[in-house]
Amino acid sequence: DAGVTQSPTHLIKTRGQHVTLRCSPISGHKSVSWYQQVLGQGPQFIFQYYEKEERGRGNFPDRFSARQFPNYSSELNVNALLLGDSALYLCASSPGWQGEKLFFGSGTQLSVL
Amino acid sequence: AQSVTQLDSHVSVSEGTPVLLRCNYSSSYSPSLFWYVQHPNKGLQLLLKYTSAATLVKGINGFEAEFKKSETSFHLTKPSAHMSDAAEYFCVVTLVNYGGSQGNLIFGKGTKLSVKP
Repeated sequence: DAGVTQSPTHLIKTRGQHVTLRCSPISGHKSVSWYQQVLGQGPQFIFQYYEKEERGRGNFPDRFSARQFPNYSSELNVNALLLGDSALYLCASSPGWQGEKLFFGSGTQLSVL
Repeated sequence: AQSVTQLDSHVSVSEGTPVLLRCNYSSSYSPSLFWYVQHPNKGLQLLLKYTSAATLVKGINGFEAEFKKSETSFHLTKPSAHMSDAAEYFCVVTLVNYGGSQGNLIFGKGTKLSVKP
C-alpha cells in the first residue's frame, strides 16, 4: 500500500514568491496535518484538516494557508516567502482527527534564497 | 500548556550497550506521549505511544519507555544498541480530552543518537 506522498521533494524559491506544497494521504485516511521542521528543531504543527474542514491551526502567520480536497489530498500554500520559511515541510495523515495514528510522509525540503 | 523537554541533544553509545534517551513532559491534563524516530531522508516513524493503559510501554525494534507521573518523565530505553538505531529521536505530547487525543502533536527538539562500532 502507498504511504503518504508529498510533492515536490525539493524546492528552491526566492524571497517574496509564493509556493504550493502537495500531499496525498494514505488511502482511507480522512485527516491531513502539516508540520514545519526547521533544521535542528522538532517539527512544529501548522494545520490539521479533517473531512475538508480546518480542525486545528498552529502559531503561524496568515501567509500560511491550506485546504483539503474531496479526495482528502491537501495543499499547503505560503505567500510572500521569507528566508525563515526555509525548512522541511512534513505532511501526516490519519484515519480520524485524533493524533494517535499519524503516518508521516518524507517531506518537501523548501529553500528560500 | 503542553510541552516536552528532551534533556540531551546528542547521545553516543557503543554497539551492544544500553540506550537511554531522556524526556520530561509538562501537561495540565492527561497527556498522550509518544516517541518518534527520524532516519535521514525518511519520514517520521512511530516507535511507541503511552495512552494511560500501562505505564511501561513496549515499542518496535526493542525500544520501550516508562511513564512516571511523579517525575513527569517518559524516558526511552533499549537494552542493546544496534548500528541501525542511529537516528534522530523525538519525544512528543498531545492533549487527551473527552473526545480522545487531539490531532496536533507537540514535538521536543530531538535527540540525535550515534552508535559506534
